Amino acid sequence: AQSVTQLGSHVSVSEGALVLLRCNYSSSVPPYLFWYVQYPNQGLQLLLKYTTGATLVKGINGFEAEFKKSETSFHLTKPSAHMSDAAEYFCAVSDHNFGNEKLTFGTGTRLTIIP
Amino acid sequence: GAGVSQSPSNKVTEKGKDVELRCDPISGHTALYWYRQSLGQGLEFLIYFQGNSAPDKSGLPSDRFSAERTGGSVSTLTIQRTQQEDSAVYLCASSLAHASQYGFGYTFGSGTRLTVV
Repeated sequence: AQSVTQLGSHVSVSEGALVLLRCNYSSSVPPYLFWYVQYPNQGLQLLLKYTTGATLVKGINGFEAEFKKSETSFHLTKPSAHMSDAAEYFCAVSDHNFGNEKLTFGTGTRLTIIP
Repeated sequence: GAGVSQSPSNKVTEKGKDVELRCDPISGHTALYWYRQSLGQGLEFLIYFQGNSAPDKSGLPSDRFSAERTGGSVSTLTIQRTQQEDSAVYLCASSLAHASQYGFGYTFGSGTRLTVV
């Protein structure tokens, strides 16, 4: 069974600073990996995903993530934080076995941007 | 529709009452998922539909919880005899078939915030 660990339930960075949100996964097969963002009182929105191919994936709003198999990690980064990035971020994994369709989510990281 | 629609957006109910939560997925999305989001708990999988069938209902926490889907479209999550621990945000998502298999990802609704008093 797959699982996701997000280190740091709360992360604060200054506006313009690097954003780094950590995600480690456990999966019995090569995983598909996702990052979602949730703004207050809204549903989750897909930021980016890794399925196969290039291990550095780019998403919306300037975010990117790198799949590192040796470290079982899929950390989310953004070079320069913006006030509008304040939200909760969820990492998710799928082991994409046919018939096992659900995503397993981490417990989330709340990102605060300091002006 | 253009997105996943959930209703009501907020529901306050008395302990012991039954509630129904509705999800209207994106047209053409055959897969539908219910998750529960509790404070500090992340997203907890409840049930997954492919068409009108539920191949995976392993996440339903008790027999007070049930869900159905009709016409391959709208789904209703029913909680009977609500308890205070049922208070949470219930999120619905939809996707093209076999989203997990092909990495499509989900489209989420805005959720129903359920408060049991």
